[in-house]
Amino acid sequence: DQQVKQNSPSLSVQEGRISILNCDYTNSMFDYFLWYKKYPAEGPTFLISISSIKDKNEDGRFTVFLNKSAKHLSLHIVPSQPGDSAVYFCAASPFGNEKLTFGTGTRLTIIP
Amino acid sequence: EAGVAQSPRYKIIEKRQSVAFWCNPISGHATLYWYQQILGQGPKLLIQFQNNGVVDDSQLPKDRFSAERLKGVDSTLKIQPAKLEDSAVYLCASSSGTGGLSSYNEQFFGPGTRLTVL
Repeated sequence: DQQVKQNSPSLSVQEGRISILNCDYTNSMFDYFLWYKKYPAEGPTFLISISSIKDKNEDGRFTVFLNKSAKHLSLHIVPSQPGDSAVYFCAASPFGNEKLTFGTGTRLTIIP
Repeated sequence: EAGVAQSPRYKIIEKRQSVAFWCNPISGHATLYWYQQILGQGPKLLIQFQNNGVVDDSQLPKDRFSAERLKGVDSTLKIQPAKLEDSAVYLCASSSGTGGLSSYNEQFFGPGTRLTVL
């Protein structure tokens, strides 16, 4: 039972354009959502998060949008840079519990 | 501040052998997690410790996997005996949180141990 889904295994975007990564979830108990970025041979690193009481959170070039009714969140990166090439994981956590459920990841490639 | 340390980085064993992984979390972090990441999948939580107590081990295959966190600091994860399907990257993470309701505490991940079972 895949509670967090990332349906696009890969995405290629031209440098300077917007990258949009999508994530869907099925568990209504999820209350907190995160995006992690992973380079080869390294552990995932935290990128940005959003609480279910918000619908948008921005941090520099990164913005996460949450649509609770659709159980959907997205990560926007603008402008995209070559260093953004990595695997991006969406993760979710229920209220009062820091246990993370991860999606399968999307490999983002930024084309110079 | 030093990050989460893991060793070894790579391990190759034959099926039915035993293997152990070590993790040293960020100093002062009360909560420690072990994840299994199979190729093409996201990390899956195996076990969560708070200090030296187990908070959640519902997804740990207890017939072959064991973990301990003596003294509430570093931790070891053991597989005995290993199966082919145990081939994966084993990630350790730590956070300063205590699992409370007030706020979410970021998990910091180590580089992982890549296990290959032949």
